[in-house]
Amino acid sequence: GAVVSQHPSWVICKSGTSVKIECRSLDFQATTMFWYRQFPKQSLMLMATSNEGSKATYEQGVEKDKFLINHASLTLSTLTVTSAHPEDSSFYICSACSGRALWGEQFFGPGTRLTVL
Amino acid sequence: GENVEQHPSTLSVQEGDSAVIKCTYSDSASNYFPWYKQELGKRPQLIIDIRSNVGEKKDQRIAVTLNKTAKHFSLHITETQPEDSAVYFCAASRGGGADGLTFGKGTHLIIQP
Repeated sequence: GAVVSQHPSWVICKSGTSVKIECRSLDFQATTMFWYRQFPKQSLMLMATSNEGSKATYEQGVEKDKFLINHASLTLSTLTVTSAHPEDSSFYICSACSGRALWGEQFFGPGTRLTVL
Repeated sequence: GENVEQHPSTLSVQEGDSAVIKCTYSDSASNYFPWYKQELGKRPQLIIDIRSNVGEKKDQRIAVTLNKTAKHFSLHITETQPEDSAVYFCAASRGGGADGLTFGKGTHLIIQP
């Protein structure tokens, strides 16, 4: 149990285009999902917290108009990188938290590698 | 916000020896401390976690200790094996399922044969 998937696993796009990444919890309902970014040889940095049916909460320094998050159901959250630029190239990883996880255990997706040319 | 420091950044040990990675945190409200193992290009995998109501937890060759007073926690791996080679991250959060994780910068563990 507790499987999280992401799609696509990798994407290459031209500068100025938008890219949508999907995060799904496959066998549980995720009341909360999180989006992280990881640059090469660096740690994971929390970008935003996504709650079903409400607006996402963004971490300081993350542009909410550039990284659009939608959490339309208890099993799906999407991250859209708008007007992508080369500096947005990174590994984007989502995680999901079950409502039964009282201590905040998070289950991570496999990640999406974004390359902006 | 929370700040998690992790040391060392690289750790090389002989196969069969023990490895210890240490982390400190700043937010006294943090009460959930997981450790993740990440292989290149893959997702972080939870290897052990500890809640603030206990001081130590062990799972076979892996153990974690927590000192809430000093705000530090450590990962101990005994009888290291080549497959233990990876990057390890500590993290902290306030738990409850609503808070994201703040990660340390990671430790590259190298097991020498």
